[in-house]
Amino acid sequence: DQQVKQNSPSLSVQEGRISILNCDYTNSMFDYFLWYKKYPAEGPTFLISISSIKDKNEDGRFTVFLNKSAKHLSLHIVPSQPGDSAVYFCAALKAAGNKLTFGGGTRVLVKP
Amino acid sequence: EAGVAQSPRYKIIEKRQSVAFWCNPISGHATLYWYQQILGQGPKLLIQFQNNGVVDDSQLPKDRFSAERLKGVDSTLKIQPAKLEDSAVYLCASSPDRGGGELFFGEGSRLTVL
Repeated sequence: DQQVKQNSPSLSVQEGRISILNCDYTNSMFDYFLWYKKYPAEGPTFLISISSIKDKNEDGRFTVFLNKSAKHLSLHIVPSQPGDSAVYFCAALKAAGNKLTFGGGTRVLVKP
Repeated sequence: EAGVAQSPRYKIIEKRQSVAFWCNPISGHATLYWYQQILGQGPKLLIQFQNNGVVDDSQLPKDRFSAERLKGVDSTLKIQPAKLEDSAVYLCASSPDRGGGELFFGEGSRLTVL
């Protein structure tokens, strides 16, 4: 039962353009949604999060949008930089228990 | 602040052998997690500890996997006997008690079962 899904396994974008990563979830009981970034041979690192009571959160070049009715969230990276090339994981959290459920990841390649 | 430490970084074993992974979380973090990440997939939670008590081990294959967190600090994850499908990166993470889902991950231990 995959509660968090990232349907695009990979994304290629030109430097300076926008990267849009998508994520869908099935459980309406999630309280927070997070994005993690992972470089090869390293553990995932926290990037940005959004509470289920908000529809947008922005941090520098990164913005996360949440559409609760559609059970969908997206991460926008503007402008994309070569250092953004990594695997991005969407994750969802039920506050009770602080347990994260991850999606399958989207590999982003930013071309110079 | 020192990060989450894991060892070994890499391990190659044959099926039916045993293996153990060690994790030392960030000082003061009460919650410790072990995740399994199979190539091409997202991390899957195996077990979650709060101090030295188990909060969630519903996805831990208990016939072959075991984990302990003695004294509420470092933790070991053991696999015995290993199967081919156990080949994965085993990620340890810790978090402070403030909630919100921000986990701090170690670099992982990559296991190859031949």
